[in-house]
Amino acid sequence: RKEVEQDPGPFNVPEGATVAFNCTYSNSASQSFFWYRQDCRKEPKLLMSVYSSGNEDGRFTAQLNRASQYISLLIRDSKLSDSATYLCVVNGQAGTALIFGKGTTLSVSS
Amino acid sequence: NAGVTQTPKFRILKIGQSMTLQCAQDMNHNYMYWYRQDPGMGLKLIYYSVGAGITDKGEVPNGYNVSRSTTEDFPLRLELAAPSQTSVYFCASSYYPLSYNEQFFGPGTRLTVL
Repeated sequence: RKEVEQDPGPFNVPEGATVAFNCTYSNSASQSFFWYRQDCRKEPKLLMSVYSSGNEDGRFTAQLNRASQYISLLIRDSKLSDSATYLCVVNGQAGTALIFGKGTTLSVSS
Repeated sequence: NAGVTQTPKFRILKIGQSMTLQCAQDMNHNYMYWYRQDPGMGLKLIYYSVGAGITDKGEVPNGYNVSRSTTEDFPLRLELAAPSQTSVYFCASSYYPLSYNEQFFGPGTRLTVL
C-alpha cells in the first residue's frame, strides 16, 4: 500500500457542483493531516488542516476516519477558481517529515 | 514580508555541471526544507534543517548537499548534475517542526539537466 494514495482524476465538473476527493494513508501512527492546493506551475499552499472531529471552512469540508485511515475533502458550490490540484498530506510519525500524495486534479467549467 | 524566495526560477544544466539553488525566508522560521516534485508525482523531501548549523537528510538526499549558516538562508547544492535530477525544486519553511503546522513554500526552481 502506498504511503498516501489519491485518485489522480481529473475531476471535470460544472460550476456549482459538489465534488469529493478521497485519500488513504498507510501509517496508522500518523498524527497530522492536511489538504494543500497547488495551482498549475505554482507552489503548494495550505488549504486546510484536517482534525479528528472534521472541520469546515466555507465551502470546504474535511473529514478524517482514523479507523479506515481515510481522509476526504468536500467542495460545495464549485467555482472556476477552485480549478487546481489538491494534495493530501500526512505525517509519518510524530515529528517526522510530511508525506505528500500525488494530488487530485480538479477542473471546474462554466 | 516576502515570505520564501527562491532563485533562479529556471535553469538548464549540462550533465556533470554543478549549481546552487538559493532559498531565503524572512519569517524568522527555524525549520526549512527542500523538496523535489517530478511530473505527476508528490513532493519528496531532500533535506531539512531545524535551525542554523543543523541539517538532516530526507527521503531522497543522494546527489545533493545543503548548509544552513543563518536562520534566513538554506541553499541546496547539486555537485554533478544528472538527468534524473530534472525536476521542480521547492524550498519551504515553517514555524513549528516538520509536521505540526503549515509549511510555506517558495515559488520553485525548474531545473532541466541535459
